[in-house]
Amino acid sequence: GQSLEQPSEVTAVEGAIVQINCTYQTSGFYGLSWYQQHDGGAPTFLSYNALDGLEETGRFSSFLSRSDSYGYLLLQELQMKDSASYFCALRGEDKIIFGKGTRLHILP
Amino acid sequence: DGGITQSPKYLFRKEGQNVTLSCEQNLNHDAMYWYRQDPGQGLRLIYYSQIVNDFQKGDIAEGYSVSREKKESFPLTVTSAQKNPTAFYLCASSNDIEAFFGQGTRLTVV
Repeated sequence: GQSLEQPSEVTAVEGAIVQINCTYQTSGFYGLSWYQQHDGGAPTFLSYNALDGLEETGRFSSFLSRSDSYGYLLLQELQMKDSASYFCALRGEDKIIFGKGTRLHILP
Repeated sequence: DGGITQSPKYLFRKEGQNVTLSCEQNLNHDAMYWYRQDPGQGLRLIYYSQIVNDFQKGDIAEGYSVSREKKESFPLTVTSAQKNPTAFYLCASSNDIEAFFGQGTRLTVV
């Protein structure tokens, strides 16, 4: 089967950098994605990694190591509006499976 | 504007009743998904469809049914067999990289 593990909560200070890790198990791998969800809202796409390495999009970066079945999302220059839940998602052969999400708390 | 639309936003149902949640997309995506989200939980896959007239069970399909008669539409029926249907339901469509979500339907059983 497929499964993903990520921390349930992370706390960081405004202006700092935070890393959210994700490990996965799957028999078929196409890519690892990251989504942001604010309370009461729908998830929105942040990034996608199909190959090993770092992908950068503004203040957000995502990393993938297929040999380690591991990825992370890096958020820089944290802002209060980044307080949200972040989900890693596994794209398998025919479906997308999500992790349980990491709640990011940002302190002023 | 292209997007994915779920309706209604809030839905109340009496125990023992079936209810159908609507999901429509105009993004021309082949793949569509239904997820359930409970408070503080991740998204659990109910059903998914990669092509018209075909769909597959996800991890928590019991008590739910779907149809995919048109590419644009993927309605979800919550049946009376679903023991704990109160939840936030999210529909998504996808290209090869990104999933696009509707705004969700919050179902409450009263």
